[in-house]
Amino acid sequence: AQSVAQPEDQVNVAEGNPLTVKCTYSVSGNPYLFWYVQYPNRGLQFLLKYITGDNLVKGSYGFEAEFNKSQTSFHLKKPSALVSDSALYFCAVTVGGKLIFGQGTELSVKP
Amino acid sequence: DGGITQSPKYLFRKEGQNVTLSCEQNLNHDAMYWYRQDPGQGLRLIYYSQIVNDFQKGDIAEGYSVSREKKESFPLTVTSAQKNPTAFYLCASSYRLQGAGNQPQHFGDGTRLSIL
Repeated sequence: AQSVAQPEDQVNVAEGNPLTVKCTYSVSGNPYLFWYVQYPNRGLQFLLKYITGDNLVKGSYGFEAEFNKSQTSFHLKKPSALVSDSALYFCAVTVGGKLIFGQGTELSVKP
Repeated sequence: DGGITQSPKYLFRKEGQNVTLSCEQNLNHDAMYWYRQDPGQGLRLIYYSQIVNDFQKGDIAEGYSVSREKKESFPLTVTSAQKNPTAFYLCASSYRLQGAGNQPQHFGDGTRLSIL
């Protein structure tokens, strides 16, 4: 079955420290990969995508993600976390014209 | 500003009642989607539409119905057959059906549905 996994339900980081939110996928072919962020009682906002090319993708608000084909991973990273980065983060992959989402990772950045 | 508008923000359903959630977009997108979000389960696809007058079932379509009479509008009806409707419902759109195009989906701010 084609799927996306986010192995951590919650990630806690101190402000100013680097952060990583993990994502692995299991799909056939060459996937399109996405990261979205959701603030409380709001819709999802697009952060970045990997389609093809450079394995390091830069996105909004200083976030970046590294595509690793051999490890089938697409981890989200940021060099220096802000308290305002605290939110729910979703990894997603396109399969057959539809998006499949991971279950989400709650990021908490403490001052 | 272009975007997706969902209404109402909060909705309460009585037993045996059908309710309709509104979704309107002014992004000139062809494709539209409805998702259900439950805590700890991510987003699950209910229905999607590639074009006007066409729509397809997603992974959890039972107890739901949709229509796509206009490009801008994709209302979702939660029928009385949906026995566990309490959830956060999100509408999204994209320029083309995801996969056929690599553009991201744009989301509305959701409708939270609860049972009275």
